[in-house]
Amino acid sequence: EIVLTQSPATLSLSPGERATLSCRASQSVSSYLAWYQQKPGQAPRLLIYDASNRATGIPARFSGSGSGTDFTLTISSLEPEDFAVYYCQQRPITFGQGTRLEIK
Amino acid sequence: EVQLVESGGGLVQPGGSLRLSCAASGFTFSNDEMNWVRQAPGKGLEWVSFISNSGSTIYYADSVKGRFTISRDNAKNSLYLQMNSLRAEDTAVYYCARTRRDYYMDVWGKGTTVTVSS
Repeated sequence: EIVLTQSPATLSLSPGERATLSCRASQSVSSYLAWYQQKPGQAPRLLIYDASNRATGIPARFSGSGSGTDFTLTISSLEPEDFAVYYCQQRPITFGQGTRLEIK
Repeated sequence: EVQLVESGGGLVQPGGSLRLSCAASGFTFSNDEMNWVRQAPGKGLEWVSFISNSGSTIYYADSVKGRFTISRDNAKNSLYLQMNSLRAEDTAVYYCARTRRDYYMDVWGKGTTVTVSS
């Protein structure tokens, strides 16, 4: 079973700063990597699929990169509504443990 | 509007059963694969089960295999999860999600809460 490890567990940043979240797979997942955002009390929202494709309606400040075992979600300039938990997910379906992005 | 609405959650004793439903609207349900994903209180996301658009292909997480059964009724635009032999560790919010290429999930319901406790 392929394990996804996200880092850091918690990231403390200020609005306007750049956020870089990492997801590492224990074996290659090719480009079958998705990213989700989840706010408290809400369902997850798809941000990125196939490592770098933005989902419908997702702002351009969100971008994904990587292939194989190392992936990155970048938020170029944080907005107040971006503070949430972020999960990566591979195919077949397993999730990383999440990165909490909090306001510094 | 594309929408998924889960129902059927509640409080059940250990060893009991529940049937979750997910009503789909705003898209052609019969064309799409579906998943159930759960989230225990304060924890991360855990995949539970997958069903193909026709229902011919089904997968389960090891943690629920033999106890849960996924099914769908395309004529009723509905997805189901029959949960038997429930355990305390099944306590979670259960989400249904539309699935693309049997992996990423682009539409999610708001979830239904299952609590297994005596």
